[in-house]
Amino acid sequence: TQLLEQSPQFLSIQEGENLTVYCNSSSVFSSLQWYRQEPGEGPVLLVTVVTGGEVKKLKRLTFQFGDARKDSSLHITAAQPGDTGLYLCAGVRGYGNKLVFGAGTILRVKS
Amino acid sequence: NAGVTQTPKFRILKIGQSMTLQCAQDMNHNYMYWYRQDPGMGLKLIYYSVGAGITDKGEVPNGYNVSRSTTEDFPLRLELAAPSQTSVYFCASSYSTRGVYNEQFFGPGTRLTVL
Repeated sequence: TQLLEQSPQFLSIQEGENLTVYCNSSSVFSSLQWYRQEPGEGPVLLVTVVTGGEVKKLKRLTFQFGDARKDSSLHITAAQPGDTGLYLCAGVRGYGNKLVFGAGTILRVKS
Repeated sequence: NAGVTQTPKFRILKIGQSMTLQCAQDMNHNYMYWYRQDPGMGLKLIYYSVGAGITDKGEVPNGYNVSRSTTEDFPLRLELAAPSQTSVYFCASSYSTRGVYNEQFFGPGTRLTVL
């Protein structure tokens, strides 16, 4: 059972469309992170959200942390082919600052 | 800085063989981690270390062992390879203190196939 549930698992859209990816949990995390991973490479951090209700923007990407610090969303405006990749959410918990990952959302943006 | 380096990049093992996956970082990070990523899945924590001489189990430690004799190196040992250990293995490191989380930096991964 995944502690962090991501949806959708796969998304294929046209360039210019908007999309939202969700990350939900029944557990509270001290902070939550979003990563992007390209084939054959390790994940690369996009953002960390720490405070309940927090919203962070990174160019066309908007990240939100739920008020109860159990869920998060990633919204991409006007998606571009360069946004194609695997998007992973990860919760930080416990001693050692361990990461618990969701299963990921594969995004494909077609030109 | 090379960041986090992993060797080898690819390896094929026969069932029952042993091997060590190497991980090194040159950022003077105190925390290091080993994850595995199965197809279509997120990463699962195998072992982690908060400093030289200190290691602890993660979510999926069975079949693996680690050691941390130096700050820089964190090798992962597979003693009796099984097909279930076919996966991509990522090493990561971060500089962290108690209660303060900093970014984990990931290596490029080792793709392991057990036949």
